[in-house]
Amino acid sequence: DTAVSQTPKYLVTQMGNDKSIKCEQNLGHDTMYWYKQDSKKFLKIMFSYNNKELIINETVPNRFSPKSPDKAHLNLHINSLELGDSAVYFCASSQSGQGGGYTFGSGTRLTVV
Amino acid sequence: KQEVTQIPAALSVPEGENLVLNCSFTDSAIYNLQWFRQDPGKGLTSLLLIQSSQREQTSGRLNASLDKSSGRSTLYIAASQPGDSATYLCAVPVGGGGADGLTFGKGTHLIIQP
Repeated sequence: DTAVSQTPKYLVTQMGNDKSIKCEQNLGHDTMYWYKQDSKKFLKIMFSYNNKELIINETVPNRFSPKSPDKAHLNLHINSLELGDSAVYFCASSQSGQGGGYTFGSGTRLTVV
Repeated sequence: KQEVTQIPAALSVPEGENLVLNCSFTDSAIYNLQWFRQDPGKGLTSLLLIQSSQREQTSGRLNASLDKSSGRSTLYIAASQPGDSATYLCAVPVGGGGADGLTFGKGTHLIIQP
């Protein structure tokens, strides 16, 4: 199936740990994103990568480090996890410059205890 | 800075009613506008993508309209069903449709009563 897939779906971890979330898209899109959905369900962009190059880095703590090994993958590594990092993280992709829509993954629910 | 507002924040109606969800945006220089649906604990499902040159798009019982000059879009749902219960999100690209991501509204939480 063509899609944006992210793993894991659920992640429960203790404060201070380091964790990664992986994302892959097979839509042939050149741009991938990470979004955070907070407890009030508001979606906000964190990072954008176009052809493996960082385009957007919103006001996100530098404990969050995205890595794009190729156009089809964008991973999110989080160091020294804090309680406030608990949220749902969504990966998305789009094709730039063509007015196409965005396709989202199913989300990773991160709970820091 | 683009801001997207959705009204109402929540809506509960009996099954079978036609309903309209509203979305407004502050910067009318948008490339397109996308409506999504989010079920509880799930990801975002794209419903309709309407380009800036279009006035409306239809998919089944859903119809989205776009008035760029006034900064408004509406999502019309005909003959609502309990399965339509979800949060509906409106989003517009930041910038010229490049790699800058989407700005989202806070959503309309819709409940269709059987």
